[in-house]
Amino acid sequence: RKEVEQDPGPFNVPEGATVAFNCTYSNSASQSFFWYRQDCRKEPKLLMSVYSSGNEDGRFTAQLNRASQYISLLIRDSKLSDSATYLCVVNLGGGFKTIFGAGTRLFVKA
Amino acid sequence: EPEVTQTPSHQVTQMGQEVILRCVPISNHLYFYWYRQILGQKVEFLVSFYNNEISEKSEIFDDQFSVERPDGSNFTLKIRSTKLEDSAMYFCASSGTELNTEAFFGQGTRLTVV
Repeated sequence: RKEVEQDPGPFNVPEGATVAFNCTYSNSASQSFFWYRQDCRKEPKLLMSVYSSGNEDGRFTAQLNRASQYISLLIRDSKLSDSATYLCVVNLGGGFKTIFGAGTRLFVKA
Repeated sequence: EPEVTQTPSHQVTQMGQEVILRCVPISNHLYFYWYRQILGQKVEFLVSFYNNEISEKSEIFDDQFSVERPDGSNFTLKIRSTKLEDSAMYFCASSGTELNTEAFFGQGTRLTVV
């Protein structure tokens, strides 16, 4: 099983749609979780941290299910500018090593 | 807004040559990282650095790689004898005063080995 696994997509959605991404991780001792976005040939940029209680930032909602070892990201009211690759990131075992998923590509079309 | 800066943005080198990639992390950050991303592939962890020493490294980070923080601001990645397969985007990142906080990335150095 991969350390961090994501559906590669691509997800093609119209503007205004709601889209959800899931991510699973294999190490149950993982302690920190994040969603990053990456535009083509650019650096990853932090979208949001993921907390055990779930958290929301505007149109974005992240949730963590430790029992099932998955993380989700929900994007509401998609904008053209949301088109990017979304990276699930897990810090393993509370250490310094951070593992990236391969990313889920999202295309939002007018 | 403080940011991580990397130089150069693009480096072309001949196989077997040494390269040094440079990074200036965010000034009050304590944890520093190098990642690489081969074109079309995922971001891969190389090494983390804290308190002037390597705290963790991946299998990719073999003896031809080294990192250094030569002064209070720069953080460098050296590849001693480059191979064709070292061609990738190399990202430097830093994170704050606590472990497990989010990391902020520089814009990357695209290394091309010919």
